Amino acid sequence: DAGVTQSPTHLIKTRGQQVTLRCSPISGHKSVSWYQQVLGQGPQFIFQYYEKEERGRGNFPDRFSARQFPNYSSELNVNALLLGDSALYLCASSLGGVSTDTQYFGPGTRLTVL
Amino acid sequence: RKEVEQDPGPFNVPEGATVAFNCTYSNSASQSFFWYRQDCRKEPKLLMSVYSSGNEDGRFTAQLNRASQYISLLIRDSKLSDSATYLCVVLDTGRRALTFGSGTRLQVQP
Repeated sequence: DAGVTQSPTHLIKTRGQQVTLRCSPISGHKSVSWYQQVLGQGPQFIFQYYEKEERGRGNFPDRFSARQFPNYSSELNVNALLLGDSALYLCASSLGGVSTDTQYFGPGTRLTVL
Repeated sequence: RKEVEQDPGPFNVPEGATVAFNCTYSNSASQSFFWYRQDCRKEPKLLMSVYSSGNEDGRFTAQLNRASQYISLLIRDSKLSDSATYLCVVLDTGRRALTFGSGTRLQVQP
């Protein structure tokens, strides 16, 4: 079975631009979470979605938004990019809406903002 | 204070050595704890959950001390393939989010 997939693998943008990152969860998983990992740090929680509804939100500005589609895939949008948004963006899927469900991570999208 | 704190290392150990990593967490209401492993430029992967009674998986032993809000990971008989960053993780039930430490880097040398 395929694991969590993310696209694109790498992305280079300039300050002020907008970016959309995509994630497909493991088949049968209904929950998707997004994390940002800057170099030298652990991943930081951005959002969790379950059944197309936002269930949790981390301490990120409103420039960050996300949504989940009927097929449980998800998009993360970041507007007005800043240099500090350069990071590895990780998507994790889990089976359902129970917070203790194991989260499985995708390979990530590496975003560079110039 | 960070929610989850770890010694960043690096820990440089010879093959066959025993190495221990420690982690402290700030939220006394936390209920679920994990160790994840992350290889260079790869995604984190669940190594093991950490239970109150302590648990073992092969060469890996995890311990939890709720009173001290302290989690540990012991690796016995280190292999070259154990070289990675080990992330201490606490589940924030309210936000349905995993809270990660910054990671401890392990380099096992021949």
